[in-house]
Amino acid sequence: DGGITQSPKYLFRKEGQNVTLSCEQNLNHDAMYWYRQDPGQGLRLIYYSQIVNDFQKGDIAEGYSVSREKKESFPLTVTSAQKNPTAFYLCASRPTAGGLSGNTIYFGEGSWLTVV
Amino acid sequence: ELKVEQNPLFLSMQEGKNYTIYCNYSTTSDRLYWYRQDPGKSLESLFVLLSNGAVKQEGRLMASLDTKARLSTLHITAAVHDLSATYFCAVGLVTGTASKLTFGTGTRLQVTL
Repeated sequence: DGGITQSPKYLFRKEGQNVTLSCEQNLNHDAMYWYRQDPGQGLRLIYYSQIVNDFQKGDIAEGYSVSREKKESFPLTVTSAQKNPTAFYLCASRPTAGGLSGNTIYFGEGSWLTVV
Repeated sequence: ELKVEQNPLFLSMQEGKNYTIYCNYSTTSDRLYWYRQDPGKSLESLFVLLSNGAVKQEGRLMASLDTKARLSTLHITAAVHDLSATYFCAVGLVTGTASKLTFGTGTRLQVTL
């Protein structure tokens, strides 16, 4: 089945540790995105990538890093520099990178990160 | 900076009633998305609106877009309990080759018997 797979679903991190959230899609989508959602809040864009080997900062990129070495993969690393990382993280993808297409953006099931 | 505002933030309505959720945005855009989120779950795409005057309907939900007023509405007709969820609008912006979504704060809908 085609879709977006995020792992792990639940993750606990000790303060000072880096953790990496995985996002894999087999939809052959060009663009991929990472969003953060805090309880009762909307989604905020962390990073996005339009094509392989290229990515841009979103609105809240500080304390996060990404890579896009393969079209199907867009992992997010939450570094120790992120002071308040406890949140729900959502990965998304879109068929075309830009232009005037109105393609729907599809979301993965999300990853819950808790700092202990 | 693009700002997207939804209202109301919380809506409690009885089954069978009608109501409208509003989504205002601050920058010109011709693409507007509506999503549904159940508690603890991911986002489910409801509608993609691509042009001024666009109207789409699915079951008891109808979405419309007025790009001149920078306003989209999500109208709920004869609400049922299964519609209880949080609804988000999102505005798409294309700058060069980059395309990204900015989300509203969400409207939490509770449909009561």
